[in-house]
Amino acid sequence: GAVVSQHPSRVICKSGTSVKIECRSLDFQATTMFWYRQFPKQSLMLMATSNEGSKATYEQGVEKDKFLINHASLTLSTLTVTSAHPEDSSFYICSARGASGAGELFFGEGSRLTVL
Amino acid sequence: GQQLNQSPQSMFIQEGEDVSMNCTSSSIFNTWLWYKQDPGEGPVLLIALYKAGELTSNGRLTAQFGITRKDSFLNISASIPSDVGIYFCAGQSGNTGTASKLTFGTGTRLQVTL
Repeated sequence: GAVVSQHPSRVICKSGTSVKIECRSLDFQATTMFWYRQFPKQSLMLMATSNEGSKATYEQGVEKDKFLINHASLTLSTLTVTSAHPEDSSFYICSARGASGAGELFFGEGSRLTVL
Repeated sequence: GQQLNQSPQSMFIQEGEDVSMNCTSSSIFNTWLWYKQDPGEGPVLLIALYKAGELTSNGRLTAQFGITRKDSFLNISASIPSDVGIYFCAGQSGNTGTASKLTFGTGTRLQVTL
């Protein structure tokens, strides 16, 4: 299957600072990547769809100025949590489809953000 | 966002027992996927289903795409301790292009006792 990698896996930051999370497709090119957020003991909630070379598409209720997404190349998408607050603490997971475009979605390892 | 209903929500079973969980939706899906998530990690794809009525196996795992396209089930036979984790179903409607979004189930937490 396709390999998707995230970095960092864990990050702790102070309230008010910004944090960048990277998502890379290692063995395929991804024109589209997806960013999910997961709270403890809950399911994955789609935040936004990251499109290479164009603006991201955000789900209803997700602040685009708060969660900046940049998909500058076919193998890299970044999520920046701006002016982070404790309520932004969560597990952020990215995903992408393999080159075939079939339904299978492959996920990164996830990044746990803790805002103090 | 929309979620699929999974049941049971959690289950405790003994090693060696078979496990069954299912996922239901009010909407029709063209693709059903089953994932397993270990604590602190991203979900890992277990089985993908593309056709109504399809029955697919992956080792001790078997999953079926419901004939109505509104449900799917996952069976695990002869469970072992490493089967512990959270299992999520996911459905996809519309085409299967790279930008198509998935809707995730609420998850089934499986715990296996020796």
